[in-house]
Amino acid sequence: GAVVSQHPSRVICKSGTSVKIECRSLDFQATTMFWYRQFPKQSLMLMATSNEGSKATYEQGVEKDKFLINHASLTLSTLTVTSAHPEDSSFYICSASVVGNQPQHFGDGTRLSIL
Amino acid sequence: AQKITQTQPGMFVQEKEAVTLDCTYDTSDQSYGLFWYKQPSSGEMIFLIYQGSYDEQNATEGRYSLNFQKARKSANLVISASQLGDSAMYFCAMTQGGSEKLVFGKGTKLTVNP
Repeated sequence: GAVVSQHPSRVICKSGTSVKIECRSLDFQATTMFWYRQFPKQSLMLMATSNEGSKATYEQGVEKDKFLINHASLTLSTLTVTSAHPEDSSFYICSASVVGNQPQHFGDGTRLSIL
Repeated sequence: AQKITQTQPGMFVQEKEAVTLDCTYDTSDQSYGLFWYKQPSSGEMIFLIYQGSYDEQNATEGRYSLNFQKARKSANLVISASQLGDSAMYFCAMTQGGSEKLVFGKGTKLTVNP
């Protein structure tokens, strides 16, 4: 149980393109999902907390207009990287937990490359 | 602010031997959760083991055990009988108080040699 699906797994696109990444909880409902970014050989950095039915909460230094988050249902959160540039190239990964302090389960991540 | 420290950038172990990956944490909160995740080269994050701050017994999950020393604020991961498939990055992480936010350490790259 507790499967999180993330799509797409790999994106390569031109500078200026907007890219949407989906994160779905397949067998449970998630009122809260999290979006992380990971640069090569570095740790995961929390970008934002996605709350179902309300605005996302962004971590300090993360541009909310650049990284749009929508959590329209209890099983789906989306991250849109708007007008992506090469410096946005990274590994993006989402997570969700069933309840409270239970371990977060992660999607398989999305490798984004902006040319 | 909470902080996770993993002092071992890389570790090597022979197949079938045990290995300990270090993790220390810093928090002023009484209620917190400690987690270990494995990240293979393919990128996915695999949950391994969890320890709550009020749990008196060390957590165990198969070949994984967590050596929780609360006074020292350490939560070391012990992998017994290492397998080649254990080669990966290992991240220690914590949540604090009522927050579900995970804060990660920098990770330890484990290499299991045949």
